[in-house]
Amino acid sequence: KNQVEQSPQSLIILEGKNCTLQCNYTVSPFSNLRWYKQDTGRGPVSLTIMTFSENTKSNGRYTATLDADTKQSSLHITASQLSDSASYICVVSPASGGSYIPTFGRGTSLIVHP
Amino acid sequence: ETGVTQTPRHLVMGMTNKKSLKCEQHLGHNAMYWYKQSAKKPLELMFVYNFKEQTENNSVPSRFSPECPNSSHLFLHLHTLQPEDSALYLCASSPDVSLAFSYEQYFGPGTRLTVT
Repeated sequence: KNQVEQSPQSLIILEGKNCTLQCNYTVSPFSNLRWYKQDTGRGPVSLTIMTFSENTKSNGRYTATLDADTKQSSLHITASQLSDSASYICVVSPASGGSYIPTFGRGTSLIVHP
Repeated sequence: ETGVTQTPRHLVMGMTNKKSLKCEQHLGHNAMYWYKQSAKKPLELMFVYNFKEQTENNSVPSRFSPECPNSSHLFLHLHTLQPEDSALYLCASSPDVSLAFSYEQYFGPGTRLTVT
């Protein structure tokens, strides 16, 4: 069964600090891995998408990395801001197997304090 | 704003009621999706529509009935729901349905549903 595990479940940091969120998956073969940011009361918004051949992808202060061999991805947030407080969701889409339904992680809840 | 709107934003209904959720996208996309987001659980894809045709039903109980009259509108008709159906229901759209969901999906703000 395809699984996506995210850690930590929740994280509290001070404004200006960096942090890294982890995503481990079992989806294989996989086509792409996407990170979403979901603010409270809103739908998810895509931050980055990476295919199996990509190692890193940046979007402003957000940098995602991917190790397809170990089936791990991380999302690094630099110089955190209060607006970074949100849930971050890792999503992995399969490359084949009859179904293209992606597998979602439970998300990491990030709180940035002033 | 993402260009995807959902109404109502909040809904409380009894188990014997019939209600409908509405989603509208103003992005010119051809694919639309329904997701369920329960507390402490991952997002669950429910239905996928491409060019008004349903292409995926992820084993959703029949008490949830989707309708897609055109590429801009998507409905979710609800009847005889259970308390465990209480969740945030999210609608999304994308330019097309591709294998592996490589197209970015744009989500609406969701409808918070409570079944009493």
